[in-house]
Amino acid sequence: EAEVAQSPRYKITEKSQAVAFWCDPISGHATLYWYRQILGQGPELLVQFQDESVVDDSQLPKDRFSAERLKGVDSTLKIQPAELGDSAMYLCASSLEGRYNEQFFGPGTRLTVL
Amino acid sequence: QQQVKQSPQSLIVQKGGISIINCAYENTAFDYFPWYQQFPGKGPALLIAIRPDVSEKKEGRFTISFNKSAKQFSLHIMDSQPGDSATYFCAARPGGSYIPTFGRGTSLIVHP
Repeated sequence: EAEVAQSPRYKITEKSQAVAFWCDPISGHATLYWYRQILGQGPELLVQFQDESVVDDSQLPKDRFSAERLKGVDSTLKIQPAELGDSAMYLCASSLEGRYNEQFFGPGTRLTVL
Repeated sequence: QQQVKQSPQSLIVQKGGISIINCAYENTAFDYFPWYQQFPGKGPALLIAIRPDVSEKKEGRFTISFNKSAKQFSLHIMDSQPGDSATYFCAARPGGSYIPTFGRGTSLIVHP
């Protein structure tokens, strides 16, 4: 069964350092989403891509966060510099174009900022 | 502002019992209400979903009840099993939007 792949699964970093997360969506899924899930809360969308284009990044803290999906396949989310409040699970999801109700989530990257 | 309020925060049920998780919303523009199941170390997975034109949807042991006038919806897990132990999130998505707003989640433990 096809799955969304994410790496690393866990990341510990010190504040002010840079971190990057990688996501490989299910093959053929044109839409890719990055969510942040703070412990004890539901996921919140950070950015949505349609192919290589950003559709919605209104909730992305652009002073420190950046996301790209250069070839419209895999994607990278970067934080620079990391802050203590960035500690969370970062989830990637993908869906077929137009099938927004059927998002498939990856296992996530758990980030701890010390 | 929390747009989707979920309760309880945690729930313990005996095997074979009924698990009930409730959600309430304020935004009348919401027109799609999914429930997600998340196991430790995994991302959420769509479990079951309902639109406001029906009052109930059943898939196996899982049932969504929807009360449009009260702006409430709930998940019922019949004959709960230890394998159902997970965190459950309700969500709501407004028409014209692609992105659901999630509740805070309910941690369900089903004792053998």
